[in-house]
Amino acid sequence: GAVVSQHPSWVICKSGTSVKIECRSLDFQATTMFWYRQFPKQSLMLMATSNEGSKATYEQGVEKDKFLINHASLTLSTLTVTSAHPEDSSFYICSAPDSASNQPQHFGDGTRLSIL
Amino acid sequence: QKEVEQDPGPLSVPEGAIVSLNCTYSNSAFQYFMWYRQYSRKGPELLMYTYSSGNKEDGRFTAQVDKSSKYISLFIRDSQPSDSATYLCAMRNSGGSNYKLTFGKGTLLTVNP
Repeated sequence: GAVVSQHPSWVICKSGTSVKIECRSLDFQATTMFWYRQFPKQSLMLMATSNEGSKATYEQGVEKDKFLINHASLTLSTLTVTSAHPEDSSFYICSAPDSASNQPQHFGDGTRLSIL
Repeated sequence: QKEVEQDPGPLSVPEGAIVSLNCTYSNSAFQYFMWYRQYSRKGPELLMYTYSSGNKEDGRFTAQVDKSSKYISLFIRDSQPSDSATYLCAMRNSGGSNYKLTFGKGTLLTVNP
């Protein structure tokens, strides 16, 4: 079945560092990918919709200059957390639907980001 | 009123019990309904995917959708300790799979051996 790979799974870095998270669709093409943020014991909060070849669409309250999204190919989207601070520490998850079918979204395994 | 309501639990049952998880929603445009299972510190894993009203069964899992009542359910038969996880309902309209999902808060389930 459709698989979404997310990397890295866990990153710890110092405050002020920029961190890049990759999301790949492994056996299908995804013109759209979604980026979520999840706090402990909370549901997924949609941050932005990543569109191949065009600008991402950000949800209200999400800083686009803070969370840079690039979707340069049909199988790869990246989320860069720029100048990360401790309040950016969270669990980030991507998802992708198979653009060629009406199948549901499959999720990556998430990236646990810890900013010291 | 939130678009999707889901009791966060926690729900604790003995091994072998039948588990019933539910969500209600307010948006009548929702056509596709999903149940995801999420283990701690992992991404959600798709369990069931249904379109419009009706039942769907897959092994120990049964999903039900009642669009007239705006109510969806997931039943787990013969529950196992490995079923202990958070269960998220999700739904979207008929505009295509590229449309964003609306999630419930998730129900934390513990199956005790």
